[in-house]
Amino acid sequence: DQQVKQNSPSLSVQEGRISILNCDYTNSMFDYFLWYKKYPAEGPTFLISISSIKDKNEDGRFTVFLNKSAKHLSLHIVPSQPGDSAVYFCAASAQSSYDKVIFGPGTSLSVIP
Amino acid sequence: KAGVTQTPRYLIKTRGQQVTLSCSPISGHRSVSWYQQTPGQGLQFLFEYFSETQRNKGNFPGRFSGRQFSNSRSEMNVSTLELGDSALYLCASSPSVGAQNEQYFGPGTRLTVT
Repeated sequence: DQQVKQNSPSLSVQEGRISILNCDYTNSMFDYFLWYKKYPAEGPTFLISISSIKDKNEDGRFTVFLNKSAKHLSLHIVPSQPGDSAVYFCAASAQSSYDKVIFGPGTSLSVIP
Repeated sequence: KAGVTQTPRYLIKTRGQQVTLSCSPISGHRSVSWYQQTPGQGLQFLFEYFSETQRNKGNFPGRFSGRQFSNSRSEMNVSTLELGDSALYLCASSPSVGAQNEQYFGPGTRLTVT
């Protein structure tokens, strides 16, 4: 059973518009969440993270929102750029197993010029 | 600073064979984690090594094993290969255990089992 779910395998957005990538988790022990971006033929790169003590974290065009009661987080990219086209992985970890990160299956984002 | 390197980049093996994958972390990084990426399953954690000791292990059968050397380089071994082992195997290094937002991934080794 997947503990971290990304129910949209793919997403297409027009350049300049907002991209919203969603992630749901089932384990209430998770208290730290991360987003990674992956280009073809490259390893994932860390994008942004959020601790469960916050409900929002912003870094430039990227904002992550956390809704603990719904066990849901989302990544907003505003404005979307063609270079944002990549696979985005949501990941989570629990303080009790701090060094084990659980990844979601990924969402492939295409930003159309 | 050189990034994480993985060798080989591509590998084709047949069922029943064994394979060894290699990962060289970023200089100064002592933690190396291994992940398996398959379509639909995303990245699944295999194990993490720190200072030559396995610190954590995912839910994979014993056919999957690894080790870390004194220079922090790590190898992953899969014995008695199965078709389902075909995947992209990613290695990530970080300065210490648990530094999730400081994980730097290598490009991966694409393993195909026929």
